[in-house]
Amino acid sequence: AQKITQTQPGMFVQEKEAVTLDCTYDTSDPSYGLFWYKQPSSGEMIFLIYQGSYDQQNATEGRYSLNFQKARKSANLVISASQLGDSAMYFCAMRGGYNKLIFGAGTRLAVHP
Amino acid sequence: DSGVTQTPKHLITATGQRVTLRCSPRSGDLSVYWYQQSLDQGLQFLIQYYNGEERAKGNILERFSAQQFPDLHSELNLSSLELGDSALYFCASSVDATTSGRTDTQYFGPGTRLTVL
Repeated sequence: AQKITQTQPGMFVQEKEAVTLDCTYDTSDPSYGLFWYKQPSSGEMIFLIYQGSYDQQNATEGRYSLNFQKARKSANLVISASQLGDSAMYFCAMRGGYNKLIFGAGTRLAVHP
Repeated sequence: DSGVTQTPKHLITATGQRVTLRCSPRSGDLSVYWYQQSLDQGLQFLIQYYNGEERAKGNILERFSAQQFPDLHSELNLSSLELGDSALYFCASSVDATTSGRTDTQYFGPGTRLTVL
C-alpha cells in the first residue's frame, strides 16, 4: 500500500534561515509523483512543488526545492530564506491510483522574527 | 488564487440534515476530486470525476454522493449528517486524470467548512 510519513509534527525556524521538512514515502509502483502543499491558517491548500519519480534533477520552484533521494524513499522540502509568511502547515503527498493524492499528517512550521 | 471555486465557504447545519457543496474547476480542467480534512482522519480522498463520469472512489460514506455536470462543475451531497461529518471539504481539479506528470497537478479550491451541530 502507498503511504506518506511526515515525522515532524512541528518545526520552527528563524526568519531568513533555511529549513528542511521531512517526508518519506512507500510505494511499489515504479512510476509515481510527489507533491508538497502549503496550508496557511486561512485554510486553503496551495501547491508548491512537484517531483516525478523519473525526474533526473531535484525540483525547484523559487525558494522551494525538493531533496529527492529515491533509494531512501525520501522527498524532503527545503525552504530557503524563510519568511514570516511561510508559517503554515505543510503536507507531503503522493499520487496514488487514478491520480488521487495520498497525504501525510503534515508539519506545522513556525517562522520566528 | 488557484482558479478553483467552492461555495459556500462556511456551512452550519444540524444533525440529520442534508447539504450540497458546490465546486467549479479551473478552466480547461476535466477532473474534479473531493477530499475531506478532519482532525482525526487528516486529509482523505473521497471521490473523483473525469469529464462527467465517476472515475474512482475512496473513503466515501454511503450517505455521501457526488456528480459532475456537463459544464464540469461538481456537487458533493452529504445527507443524514452526523457530528463526525464536521470537517473541511476540498475540491481539487486537474487537467487530465489519464496522464501523469506535471499536468496532473491538482489545484485546490478554498474549501467549505462544514459544522454539524
